[in-house]
Amino acid sequence: GQQLNQSPQSMFIQEGEDVSMNCTSSSIFNTWLWYKQDPGEGPVLLIALYKAGELTSNGRLTAQFGITRKDSFLNISASIPSDVGIYFCAGRTTSGTYKYIFGTGTRLKVLA
Amino acid sequence: ETGVTQTPRHLVMGMTNKKSLKCEQHLGHNAMYWYKQSAKKPLELMFVYNFKEQTENNSVPSRFSPECPNSSHLFLHLHTLQPEDSALYLCASSQSGLERLDTQYFGPGTRLTVL
Repeated sequence: GQQLNQSPQSMFIQEGEDVSMNCTSSSIFNTWLWYKQDPGEGPVLLIALYKAGELTSNGRLTAQFGITRKDSFLNISASIPSDVGIYFCAGRTTSGTYKYIFGTGTRLKVLA
Repeated sequence: ETGVTQTPRHLVMGMTNKKSLKCEQHLGHNAMYWYKQSAKKPLELMFVYNFKEQTENNSVPSRFSPECPNSSHLFLHLHTLQPEDSALYLCASSQSGLERLDTQYFGPGTRLTVL
């Protein structure tokens, strides 16, 4: 079956540092979504990507749809304490289904 | 209210109880979804409704029974649950379940504990 590997699983960084995380798939995807989830809340959409090679920013966040269509990357620049949370990627295959596959999340902790 | 709302936010129930989770979306979307989120596991899609019709049942046990009376409301009826059903249940909606405009927006979730 389809698998979505997200890494790293967790990371501790100093405030002000840049952060990078990625998701890789065993299948080709036609859509990638990145979400952030705070404790006790639902995931909040950060960035949506629909085209291979697409690079999209949302404030200090930048995400890219990999050229191979099997991966995606999320970068956070100059991290701040409120960036703490769990970041999820989600991908949809080219089969036309609306079913998304979710990664297991990257837990980010920012040290002030 | 804006976005996707869910009630209750927390629920504790015994294995013989019957309860319902409610979701309402204020985004004018046509598709609604139920997901289960357990610790250390990816989000699991449970049900999908598109224009009030169920279009996906991801092999969910019959003790979970969804209902979608209209495009804005989605319910999950629970009965005779097991302790392993304890999880965060998330509702989501999207413009349409079948096209590119299907970016999903989530509610805050209901934290369910089955004793």
